[in-house]
Amino acid sequence: DQQVKQNSPSLSVQEGRISILNCDYTNSMFDYFLWYKKYPAEGPTFLISISSIKDKNEDGRFTVFLNKSAKHLSLHIVPSQPGDSAVYFCAASARGNDMRFGAGTRLTVKP
Amino acid sequence: GAGVSQSPRYKVAKRGQDVALRCDPISGHVSLFWYQQALGQGPEFLTYFQNEAQLDKSGLPSDRFFAERPEGSVSTLKIQRTQQEDSAVYLCASSPLASNGEKLFFGSGTQLSVL
Repeated sequence: DQQVKQNSPSLSVQEGRISILNCDYTNSMFDYFLWYKKYPAEGPTFLISISSIKDKNEDGRFTVFLNKSAKHLSLHIVPSQPGDSAVYFCAASARGNDMRFGAGTRLTVKP
Repeated sequence: GAGVSQSPRYKVAKRGQDVALRCDPISGHVSLFWYQQALGQGPEFLTYFQNEAQLDKSGLPSDRFFAERPEGSVSTLKIQRTQQEDSAVYLCASSPLASNGEKLFFGSGTQLSVL
């Protein structure tokens, strides 16, 4: 059962524009959400996280929004840069247990 | 190195062969995780250690899979009698925290191909 879903396998945006990556989850017990970024031949690296007590967390060009009622979170990258081209994984955990990952979205930022 | 190190980077095995995959976590990290990532999918949880104790092995797909971390540092994931469906990237991750729901530090993975 896929408890974390990333329905867009790929996304292409122009350099300087906004990238919006989406993630949906089904388990209402999830209380901590993370985004990881993965370059080819490397392991995923942590990007940004958000606790369920918040609805927004910002770190530089990266902002994560959480809509608990819709069980939806999104990652906004503004402005997008070619170096942001990677696979982005959404992940979620419940009370510090069992981190679950989505299938990933491949972001391509075109110069 | 300061990161999580995995070896070998690539492993090709004949069906039925046993394999052992090694993970060196970041020094001092309490928690260690193994994930399996099939092509085009996200990482799927296999097992979790807190120091030397294996607290969760619910994700291991069969009894052919076995993991250990005898001294609370280096971990080995062993797969016996490999099958073609075992072909995947096996990721190891560690965390300084004693829980598995916080930020993880991943290694580059071992790509296993079973022929």
